[in-house]
Amino acid sequence: GENVEQHPSTLSVQEGDSAVIKCTYSDSASNYFPWYKQELGKGPQLIIDIRSNVGEKKDQRIAVTLNKTAKHFSLHITETQPEDSAVYFCAARTNAGKSTFGDGTTLTVKP
Amino acid sequence: DAGVIQSPRHEVTEMGQEVTLRCKPISGHDYLFWYRQTMMRGLELLIYFNNNVPIDDSGMPEDRFSAKMPNASFSTLKIQPSEPRDSAVYFCASRWTGNTEAFFGQGTRLTVV
Repeated sequence: GENVEQHPSTLSVQEGDSAVIKCTYSDSASNYFPWYKQELGKGPQLIIDIRSNVGEKKDQRIAVTLNKTAKHFSLHITETQPEDSAVYFCAARTNAGKSTFGDGTTLTVKP
Repeated sequence: DAGVIQSPRHEVTEMGQEVTLRCKPISGHDYLFWYRQTMMRGLELLIYFNNNVPIDDSGMPEDRFSAKMPNASFSTLKIQPSEPRDSAVYFCASRWTGNTEAFFGQGTRLTVV
C-alpha cells in the first residue's frame, strides 16, 4: 500500500519568515495530493491540493510543488503569521478513493 | 450546510463497555471515511464507504470494531468491548465523487478508563 513520509515533525519560524514542509510517497499510482491544516480541537481542513498533472499551484501565501519523478511534494507558506500555527498534514490518494496521511508537522509561528 | 456532524463530541466510558460513535455526512456526498487519530499513530483510516457500501475495512484494528452505513445520511462506528488503548479522537469525513476535497467533522474524543 501507499506510504507517506512527512518532514519535519516540528517547525518553528519567526513571523514573516517562510515555512516549508516536505512529503514523499511510495505509490506511483497516487495522483492527488491534498494538504490539511488542523487547529486544536478541530478536524483537519483542506488548505490546498494538487493533481499529478500539475507541477505547482499557488493560493495567496500558500503554494504546493510536486515532483512526480522523485515522488515528493512540498508545502510552502510565505510571510507566516501567528494564525498559521497549527498541525499540517500531507496526504496522497489514488483513484481508489482513500487517502494516506503523513504523520503531521507542528508549525509554530513566533510573533 | 452544517458540514459533517459527529456525536458525541466527547465520550468517557469504562473498559468493557460498548461505545457507538455517530456521523452525519454532508448531504449529497457519496464517500464516507472513518479515521482514528492518536499521538503515536497519527491519522489512520479505519474504513470507508461508497454509496453506503463498505469498500475497504483493512484499517479496522480488530473484530471489536464495526461500522455501518444504513443510509446516505448516517453512519456509526461501534467498539464492543472497549479497551483503554482505543482512547483516541475519531474523525468522520465525507466527499463527493465529483470533488476531490474531503470534509472532516469536529471529531469525537473517546476516553476509555
